Amino acid sequence: DVKVTQSSRYLVKRTGEKVFLECVQDMDHENMFWYRQDPGLGLRLIYFSYDVKMKEKGDIPEGYSVSREKKERFSLILESASTNQTSMYLCAAAKWAATNEKLFFGSGTQLSVL
Amino acid sequence: EDKVVQSPLSLVVHEGDTVTLNCSYEVTNFRSLLWYKQEKKAPTFLFMLTSSGIEKKSGRLSSILDKKELFSILNITATQTGDSAIYLCAVPGAGSYQLTFGKGTKLSVIP
Repeated sequence: DVKVTQSSRYLVKRTGEKVFLECVQDMDHENMFWYRQDPGLGLRLIYFSYDVKMKEKGDIPEGYSVSREKKERFSLILESASTNQTSMYLCAAAKWAATNEKLFFGSGTQLSVL
Repeated sequence: EDKVVQSPLSLVVHEGDTVTLNCSYEVTNFRSLLWYKQEKKAPTFLFMLTSSGIEKKSGRLSSILDKKELFSILNITATQTGDSAIYLCAVPGAGSYQLTFGKGTKLSVIP
């Protein structure tokens, strides 16, 4: 199975800081995703990337940007962190095909913005 | 807009009980429906269903899809405390790479 590794399990930042969340996958999958998960709201897609240097906005991209310079690495950037970005962030990878849309998730980063 | 609705949102049962979790969906150009289990952090894949009426089984867990009525159920028999988790249902959007997730069902199994 694909292994998806997120660099931090817990992160505490101050309002206004620039925050980088890193994600690395080891199985050469084309597609990578960033979700945030909040109680009562479920998983919501922030951004995804279907190839190196390619990115698409998800449902809630405001306040975030992403970078995919190498196939295995997908970074989520909070340009100026705000308290409403306190959340669990989940990275995922997938080898998308018509009959195989299975996502492999990382263990998540719990971000607290104070 | 694609929509996935799970019910109930939370459930508390005793060990040994059988539970049924529900997932209804609205999506253009349905291709598949996926179930995930999330215990602590990372959701882990359980099942992918593409055809109506064909039950998928893995141990005490099973799932079935009804494409006519647009829903799926996840059954867990003889529940154990290790089944305590959030169960997520998701469908891919039409022609896109996105999965739309339901809000999940939080299952708590007490001894």
